[in-house]
Amino acid sequence: DSGVTQTPKHLITATGQRVTLRCSPRSGDLSVYWYQQSLDQGLQFLIQYYNGEERAKGNILERFSAQQFPDLHSELNLSSLELGDSALYFCASSESPGGSYNSPLHFGNGTRLTVT
Amino acid sequence: GQNIDQPTEMTATEGAIVQINCTYQTSGFNGLFWYQQHAGEAPTFLSYNVLDGLEEKGRFSSFLSRSKGYSYLLLKELQMKDSASYLCASPGPPGTYKYIFGTGTRLKVLA
Repeated sequence: DSGVTQTPKHLITATGQRVTLRCSPRSGDLSVYWYQQSLDQGLQFLIQYYNGEERAKGNILERFSAQQFPDLHSELNLSSLELGDSALYFCASSESPGGSYNSPLHFGNGTRLTVT
Repeated sequence: GQNIDQPTEMTATEGAIVQINCTYQTSGFNGLFWYQQHAGEAPTFLSYNVLDGLEEKGRFSSFLSRSKGYSYLLLKELQMKDSASYLCASPGPPGTYKYIFGTGTRLKVLA
């Protein structure tokens, strides 16, 4: 158990809808990262927060947004959903602000989103 | 720029040894991580190298050569449960706050 909690585990919704994915980092970790993984694809970095502030952005669509709250949990909002948004969405946390050699990422079990 | 390359797939036999290679081009190199990911599951941290040489952890070892931009993960006494994808990753350049992942090497262990 990595200590990172993601909810829900599975989400099935229709095109055009909006969903919210939730992540609670490991106790003591201030950084939260969001990744998207489509079937048989690599991990695509979406966005990173450290202690409530956005620190880095990857290939995140304008239809997607995220935030980290004062209690350090994070939410990823996906709107105007398209079939191609179907994927596994992982949250990961680490102790450091990011890009640190002594701070590996610890991943949650992911949310599997299916857009029909 | 930042780039990490790994072979897409490898196959090996139960009980054997397999070496999964990773080459990287990064500016401001800050270490290399290896993760294991079973299909549909979360990546789990295996090892980390920041200095040249071999780090051993039971059946798994990881090697780094900074001058060559090269790392490998060595898996010994392969078991069926080792069938998974193995991801090589590196922190991005200082100030980018990112981790860059390779696309992963899918390892199939055959009986």
